Amino acid sequence: AQKVTQAQTEISVVEKEDVTLDCVYETRDTTYYLFWYKQPPSGELVFLIRRNSFDEQNEISGRYSWNFQKSTSSFNFTITASQVVDSAVYFCALSENYNFNKFYFGSGTKLNVKP
Amino acid sequence: DVKVTQSSRYLVKRTGEKVFLECVQDMDHENMFWYRQDPGLGLRLIYFSYDVKMKEKGDIPEGYSVSREKKERFSLILESASTNQTSMYLCASSPILQSANEKLFFGSGTQLSVL
Repeated sequence: AQKVTQAQTEISVVEKEDVTLDCVYETRDTTYYLFWYKQPPSGELVFLIRRNSFDEQNEISGRYSWNFQKSTSSFNFTITASQVVDSAVYFCALSENYNFNKFYFGSGTKLNVKP
Repeated sequence: DVKVTQSSRYLVKRTGEKVFLECVQDMDHENMFWYRQDPGLGLRLIYFSYDVKMKEKGDIPEGYSVSREKKERFSLILESASTNQTSMYLCASSPILQSANEKLFFGSGTQLSVL
């Protein structure tokens, strides 16, 4: 079974629309971390955020916000007022404390923001 | 800023060739990783190394080997390239992992085509 599921393969929006990228994870560990990475066309994955399993507080950073809900095992990512520069592939990842050399990545969601 | 440099952005090889993919990081990180990225499959771990001359298999090590003779350099070797190894290869590094908290720093990737 996949540890991290990103059901949306590709999303297209028009600039200034809000968009939410879904991430559902599966773990039996009580201590774990969730990550979001952005991969622009240049190829390099860039770290966006990290959340630990004990902190369910939602986080906002500029136009970006993250909603972590343990009850539904979800860690969703919302971009408000999207811009063309947000076009990229976004990956959600999970790291478990009992085997923290291992990162489980979702299959990625490609976001296309059209002008 | 951490810099992870992969020697080639694009590479074209013939079936049966021995292929070397090189990765260098400049932040004295203990851990280095090789991932393979394929559409719909996300990132899959091939090998990782937690110290010079130390390595561990990831999820898909078959057909690959690695070498880490110096701390800053981690090489991925395809002993006899095959067409099913056509993929994007991503190198990553991180400081010593003491918990699941550490994030990865990625290179820009090498798009390998095996003809």
